[in-house]
Amino acid sequence: DTGVSQDPRHKITKRGQNVTFRCDPISEHNRLYWYRQTLGQGPEFLTYFQNEAQLEKSRLLSDRFSAERPKGSFSTLEIQRTEQGDSAMYLCASSPHSTGGEQFFGPGTRLTVL
Amino acid sequence: GENVEQHPSTLSVQEGDSAVIKCTYSDSASNYFPWYKQELGKGPQLIIDIRSNVGEKKDQRIAVTLNKTAKHFSLHITETQPEDSAVYFCLIPGVNSGGYQKVTFGTGTKLQVIP
Repeated sequence: DTGVSQDPRHKITKRGQNVTFRCDPISEHNRLYWYRQTLGQGPEFLTYFQNEAQLEKSRLLSDRFSAERPKGSFSTLEIQRTEQGDSAMYLCASSPHSTGGEQFFGPGTRLTVL
Repeated sequence: GENVEQHPSTLSVQEGDSAVIKCTYSDSASNYFPWYKQELGKGPQLIIDIRSNVGEKKDQRIAVTLNKTAKHFSLHITETQPEDSAVYFCLIPGVNSGGYQKVTFGTGTKLQVIP
């Protein structure tokens, strides 16, 4: 499968724990995006990378959230000291375009914070 | 920020009928207008897109029309089938004041096709 993959698909954690998600974009896609989606809502932009550079972060991305894309390929999203309000689907997308264009989404990681 | 309105929020149609979903935006600099389909438990999937230099694009039963003057674009699905049942989102990419990309999704339309 050459699409965008995300791991894990589901994560259940207790409040206060740290979690890390991984996204593997389509090979050679230089843009990578992270979104958060809660039930019944559209995806909300969190951050994006152009190769290894993180270019923009949403105000939704509090200081408990950090994202990396160290070699310009896969990316990780870490949430520290999780809160119940962090429960959501975390989506990753990649794009071959350096100026924006079609994005290809992964299946998402569903996070449940108890 | 970008103001994106998507209507209707829910839509039920009989199999074989047409469905139309409309997305209205505020950023006049936008020049790329995609529609995504999201099935339960899956990530959004691009189904059709249009660029600002054309007014309409069609791909089999799916079409998108764009009115740049009025700042809205619409998704048209003809001869609907039960497998068209899903949530549909429009997306407005743009550039913020810092020169970086911004992305705003519409609020979504839950389409139900009744067999």
